[in-house]
Amino acid sequence: DTGVSQNPRHKITKRGQNVTFRCDPISEHNRLYWYRQTLGQGPEFLTYFQNEAQLEKSRLLSDRFSAERPKGSFSTLEIQRTEQGDSAMYLCASSPSRGPSEQYFGPGTRLTVT
Amino acid sequence: QKEVEQNSGPLSVPEGAIASLNCTYSDRGSQSFFWYRQYSGKSPELIMFIYSNGDKEDGRFTAQLNKASQYVSLLIRDSQPSDSATYLCAVTWPSGTYKYIFGTGTRLKVLA
Repeated sequence: DTGVSQNPRHKITKRGQNVTFRCDPISEHNRLYWYRQTLGQGPEFLTYFQNEAQLEKSRLLSDRFSAERPKGSFSTLEIQRTEQGDSAMYLCASSPSRGPSEQYFGPGTRLTVT
Repeated sequence: QKEVEQNSGPLSVPEGAIASLNCTYSDRGSQSFFWYRQYSGKSPELIMFIYSNGDKEDGRFTAQLNKASQYVSLLIRDSQPSDSATYLCAVTWPSGTYKYIFGTGTRLKVLA
């Protein structure tokens, strides 16, 4: 399977705990995106990388969120001190670097904060 | 004004009919427009994209772009019950970046 993969697929955590999600993009894709989606809404942009460089981060994100892509391959998204409002589907997408091109999404990680 | 707007629906069409889904965007400089389909509980999957004014056809799907009026639409011909899903419009915003802004999606129901 050469699509985008995400792990874990589901995560249940208690409020105040830290969680980390992983995304493995399509191998030849240089751009990697993180989104958050709640019920009835479209994916909300969080951040994106061009290779290992984080080019933009949403101002909606608090300092509790951080993302890395250390070697320009897989990426991790960490949420510190989780809150119930963080419960959502976290989606990763990748795209090739030829201009504004199409994105391909992974299956997502569903986070539930209790 | 929201950056990318879609009617949330649901839009109900009978099987075999044409479904028309619309999307408006606020950044006049946006260059790239994408349509995704999302089934309940699943992640979005790309249907098609369009960069130039006019129509672009791919099988039963046609994307239409009118940059002067700042809207993009998706037509689905011969709608099938399996087309029932939420359709998301995405736009590169602001212009000149590779950041994508999604609309809230339109829920389509195709009635057998």
